[in-house]
Amino acid sequence: DAGVTQSPTHLIKTRGQQVTLRCSPKSGHDTVSWYQQALGQGPQFIFQYYEEEERQRGNFPDRFSGHQFPNYSSELNVNALLLGDSALYLCASSSQTSGAYEQYFGPGTRLTVT
Amino acid sequence: DQQVKQNSPSLSVQEGRISILNCDYTNSMFDYFLWYKKYPAEGPTFLISISSIKDKNEDGRFTVFLNKSAKHLSLHIVPSQPGDSAVYFCATMGSSNTGKLIFGQGTTLQVKP
Repeated sequence: DAGVTQSPTHLIKTRGQQVTLRCSPKSGHDTVSWYQQALGQGPQFIFQYYEEEERQRGNFPDRFSGHQFPNYSSELNVNALLLGDSALYLCASSSQTSGAYEQYFGPGTRLTVT
Repeated sequence: DQQVKQNSPSLSVQEGRISILNCDYTNSMFDYFLWYKKYPAEGPTFLISISSIKDKNEDGRFTVFLNKSAKHLSLHIVPSQPGDSAVYFCATMGSSNTGKLIFGQGTTLQVKP
């Protein structure tokens, strides 16, 4: 049983560009959350998707957007990249039926903005 | 404003001894807490949790203690093993339990053989 997978593993972009990160949840999970982890900090909640809709959002600007597909996989899009967007982006999946308590994280995508 | 704080960035202990990792939170309405462990190049993995209706939860070598009046929780690892060397994050679901996790900054634990 594959766990949460994310692609790509690493990414280098230039300021002003746009980026798309991808996440496939653990089998049986229907909810995907995205987190940003800056160096030396804990993960910060960006948003959560369930039933192809954004259900919750953290304190991130509109440059951060997402999507969930019918197969529950998800994308995180960041427009007009800033140097400060350099971070590890983590995807976590969970199941609404078993409650939101058990969240499984993927290995993350390391984004570097130059 | 940091709602969950881990004031010790790092901790070093000898193999076989006890490791104690601490976490403070600001909101007394927070009612479910979790500890995650993170190795380099991997995502955080769930370790142990505790609900505010309890003051202690044990799972093998790991025990979490919750002091609601002090808004403080701690993770005890006994005995510590070199494989426990990782970054440990304290997290809470906040007061809504909707799946949004609020994390502390993390504590890097090094267990020396």
